[in-house]
Amino acid sequence: AQTVTQSQPEMSVQEAETVTLSCTYDTSENNYYLFWYKQPPSRQMILVIRQEAYKQQNATENRFSVNFQKAAKSFSLKISDSQLGDTAMYFCAWVSGAGSYQLTFGKGTKLSVIP
Amino acid sequence: NAGVTQTPKFRILKIGQSMTLQCAQDMNHNYMYWYRQDPGMGLKLIYYSVGAGITDKGEVPNGYNVSRSTTEDFPLRLELAAPSQTSVYFCASRTANNSPLHFGNGTRLTVT
Repeated sequence: AQTVTQSQPEMSVQEAETVTLSCTYDTSENNYYLFWYKQPPSRQMILVIRQEAYKQQNATENRFSVNFQKAAKSFSLKISDSQLGDTAMYFCAWVSGAGSYQLTFGKGTKLSVIP
Repeated sequence: NAGVTQTPKFRILKIGQSMTLQCAQDMNHNYMYWYRQDPGMGLKLIYYSVGAGITDKGEVPNGYNVSRSTTEDFPLRLELAAPSQTSVYFCASRTANNSPLHFGNGTRLTVT
């Protein structure tokens, strides 16, 4: 079975600073997709960013960017200029590019942005 | 554009009762999923469906049943509720294998 590991259960960052959340995954496949989801206290699950494994270029969405290292099976999320609204649980997820319909989620990192 | 709609938002059940959590999506997505999220934990897949009439078990299917008679609806049935089923339940859908999940707002279920 594929596994996704988020090694930081909790993190904190000062407002306006930059923080990086780590995610590693275990797979023997070459074609797959990776996602970061945000879950604020409202408990809604919100897509932050996605990455296709066949693309070498790291995905970017405004203040959110990823560092995708395919050989190392690492998919970290960088949040720049942290805002109070970034306080949330962040989940990393993996899905196969072919054959499997199941997404595998990490256990999450609780991020607190401190004013 | 409603997206994925879950009802109810909250429910308290007594041990041994049964209930159905409703999920509907209006995006014509083929794939639909039910996850549970226990306090401080990630998401665990209960059941999923790749199209009308097709369902399959996920990681934690015991105590649950699903059906998929239409593309839009994917209800989750709890029979003989147990305290271990106290959790937040999320329904999600997506259009293809390379697309992200669209989540409903969740149902908080307490079994006492």
